[in-house]
Amino acid sequence: TQLLEQSPQFLSIQEGENLTVYCNSSSVFSSLQWYRQEPGEGPVLLVTVVTGGEVKKLKRLTFQFGDARKDSSLHITAAQPGDTGLYLCAGAGDTGGFKTIFGAGTRLFVKA
Amino acid sequence: GAGVSQSPRYKVAKRGQDVALRCDPISGHVSLFWYQQALGQGPEFLTYFQNEAQLDKSGLPSDRFFAERPEGSVSTLKIQRTQQEDSAVYLCASSLVPGLRAGELFFGEGSRLTVL
Repeated sequence: TQLLEQSPQFLSIQEGENLTVYCNSSSVFSSLQWYRQEPGEGPVLLVTVVTGGEVKKLKRLTFQFGDARKDSSLHITAAQPGDTGLYLCAGAGDTGGFKTIFGAGTRLFVKA
Repeated sequence: GAGVSQSPRYKVAKRGQDVALRCDPISGHVSLFWYQQALGQGPEFLTYFQNEAQLDKSGLPSDRFFAERPEGSVSTLKIQRTQQEDSAVYLCASSLVPGLRAGELFFGEGSRLTVL
């Protein structure tokens, strides 16, 4: 069974602090996505990483895909209250079929 | 439409009732997924359609759950004889790309089911 483990599960920080969220698996994925979900809404795609070792930046967010394509991290610089939400990693394209597997998520709360 | 549309947004059912949840994907999207999301958890895969073909239903928790996409567009998730443990948000997602590369998903807002 494929699993994506995210850590930490919950994070509460002050505005302006930096943070890193991790997504780990024992399985190899052909691509990995990060989504952000707000209450009452569906997840919204932030980024897709495909190549081992790939680094992508989206304003204050930096995403990295592990060399072995089994893990990923999301780093937020100078967090803002608007970053508050549930961050989900998801893996796709393994040998297990058509499903995209999601982690349990990291719930981030940024205090003003 | 511009995005994935789901209805109803909220559904309260008495235990034992049948419910039907509708998903209208982005026009032209080949892939359609249903996920179940419990409170405080990530989405759990239920089933996958490529056009009208249901290629993976390994995530459906029991034979009370049934999904269809007869014309390769709108999909319906049906839950028969609902139980309290079925209470969750049911998310529909679509993707332009078929099969194993269908990693970038566009989600609807979900249908929140509460079974009393």
